[in-house]
Amino acid sequence: KQEVTQIPAALSVPEGENLVLNCSFTDSAIYNLQWFRQDPGKGLTSLLLIQSSQREQTSGRLNASLDKSSGRSTLYIAASQPGDSATYLCAGCYNQGGKLIFGQGTELSVKP
Amino acid sequence: DVKVTQSSRYLVKRTGEKVFLECVQDMDHENMFWYRQDPGLGLRLIYFSYDVKMKEKGDIPEGYSVSREKKERFSLILESASTNQTSMYLCASSLLAYGYTFGSGTRLTVV
Repeated sequence: KQEVTQIPAALSVPEGENLVLNCSFTDSAIYNLQWFRQDPGKGLTSLLLIQSSQREQTSGRLNASLDKSSGRSTLYIAASQPGDSATYLCAGCYNQGGKLIFGQGTELSVKP
Repeated sequence: DVKVTQSSRYLVKRTGEKVFLECVQDMDHENMFWYRQDPGLGLRLIYFSYDVKMKEKGDIPEGYSVSREKKERFSLILESASTNQTSMYLCASSLLAYGYTFGSGTRLTVV
């Protein structure tokens, strides 16, 4: 069964700290993996998309990596800010345009 | 940027009502999806569609149906709303290698 897991469920850090969010998946035959951000009561905002042929993607202070052999992806946030506080979700896709399999998310709180 | 628009942010409906949730995307995406999100259960796929007039059941289709008469519009229908369908409903569209875009969500309360 294809599953995606995110640990920890919640994380609190002081402002300015660099941090890593973890995502693991059981089936390494992943087509792509996407990281999303969700603010309370809102929809999902796409942050980064990594294709199976790629190792990492970067956007501003965010860097996402993908290691298919170990079944892991990480989202690195540099110099965290209170505005980064949100729930971060990773989701794996196993075929073109197929359904996403979501992790449960990590709720991040960045304290001023 | 692709935009996915859900017609209502908040809805309150009565038990037994037929409820329509509308979703429109402004790009030529083939694939569209409906998820619901509940605390502790995460996002669960209700229905999806790979083309006009096509639909596939997701993980929790019971009590729901969908309609896709035009490529840009994907409607979720609650045939007879029940209190256990109170949830956040999220629509998404995708284009192959370019990932998914989600709408802003509809918070449905059934009383």
